[in-house]
Parts: sequence; C-alpha cells; structure tokens
Amino acid sequence: GAVVSQHPSWVICKSGTSVKIECRSLDFQATTMFWYRQFPKQSLMLMATSNEGSKATYEQGVEKDKFLINHASLTLSTLTVTSAHPEDSSFYICSARDGASYEQYFGPGTRLTVT
Amino acid sequence: AQSVTQPDIHITVSEGASLELRCNYSYGATPYLFWYVQSPGQGLQLLLKYFSGDTLVQGIKGFEAEFKRSQSSFNLRKPSVHWSDAAEYFCAVGDGQAGTALIFGKGTTLSVSS
Repeated sequence: GAVVSQHPSWVICKSGTSVKIECRSLDFQATTMFWYRQFPKQSLMLMATSNEGSKATYEQGVEKDKFLINHASLTLSTLTVTSAHPEDSSFYICSARDGASYEQYFGPGTRLTVT
Repeated sequence: AQSVTQPDIHITVSEGASLELRCNYSYGATPYLFWYVQSPGQGLQLLLKYFSGDTLVQGIKGFEAEFKRSQSSFNLRKPSVHWSDAAEYFCAVGDGQAGTALIFGKGTTLSVSS
C-alpha cells in the first residue's frame, strides 16, 4: 500500500529556534498534502492544506508566518515551525492525497518538544 | 457546519465482550467515512472506510462499521475485544471525490479490562 513518511519522528529544540519537518509520499505522487496538529489526548486539527507548486491554505487561527509550509515537489512537503515556543510542542501529522486515486494516507507523525 | 461527534469520551470493555463505538456526522456533501485507531505516541492506522455500496463495511482486526444515512451515524463494532485493542479511536469524515482534508471527531479512548 501507499506509504507516507515523516522526518524526524521526534525532535527537541530550544525556544526561539526553528525546526523543519518533512513529509514524503514514497510510492505515489501527492498533489495535495495536509498538515494536522494533535495535542495530548486530543483530536487532530487541520492546520493547512498545501498543493504542489502553490501557496498553502491555512485554517483560521493558524499563523502562516509561524508555520511555514512548502510543497516543492509531488512527493515532498515541509512544515517549518519558526521561532518555536513551548506552546508549539505537539504531535504534527501529515497526510498525502494520491493524485490518481484521491485517497489520503497518513504519515506516522512527528513529536516536537520545545524547551 | 461539517462536524463529527463521538459521544463517548472513554469506554471500558471486558476482554472478550462486544464493543460498539458511536460516531455521528454532519456533512453537506456525500460523506466518505473513516475509522482510525491510534496507540499512545503512534500515528494513525486506518481500520476501515466507507465510500459507497454495502452499508456494512468490514475492516482490519475484526472490526466492522455500519453506515446509517437516516441516523447520520457510522458506528464501529467488534464482536469480541482483545486486550491489544486498547487505544484511541477516531471517526473522520471527508469528501473523497474532492480529496479534501478529513474532519475528525474528538476520539474515544477504549480500555480493556481482564
């Protein structure tokens, strides 16, 4: 089946620094990728939708200057958390939509801890 | 507004007993419905999905779900629960035709007692 990878799976960074999370579709072309955020013991909340080659669409309340999304190719989208703060600590999950079948596949998630 | 409601925050079931997790949705278009399971610290695993056709859907790990349009429900069932089924369960809805992002319910935590 289709596989989506995320890297890193776990990252610790200091407050004020930036961290980049990669989301890759390994065996299909993803015209659209979605970024979700999950706080402990809570559900997944959509942060943004990224389409290859165009600007991401952010959900209401998500700071686009803080959470930079780049979807430079059909197999890679990146989320950069800029000037991270402890409140940005969360589990970030991406999903990728197969351009051929429109099915979506989730990555394993990235746990970000900001100290 | 589009939404998914999982009325039960936490359910405890004895091992070997049957299980039903409730899910109700509100969606303007034809809903594409999903159930995912998440173990602590892990990503999501797709249990089953409904797009069209037979309203009783079989999934992995012995789970099934029934789509009831009249009740806007998509409840998840398992006839005999195993201790390894203890996890967080999420119901989600989306527009499969357009491939939009999924809307998730708040989740139900399943505990299994021996």
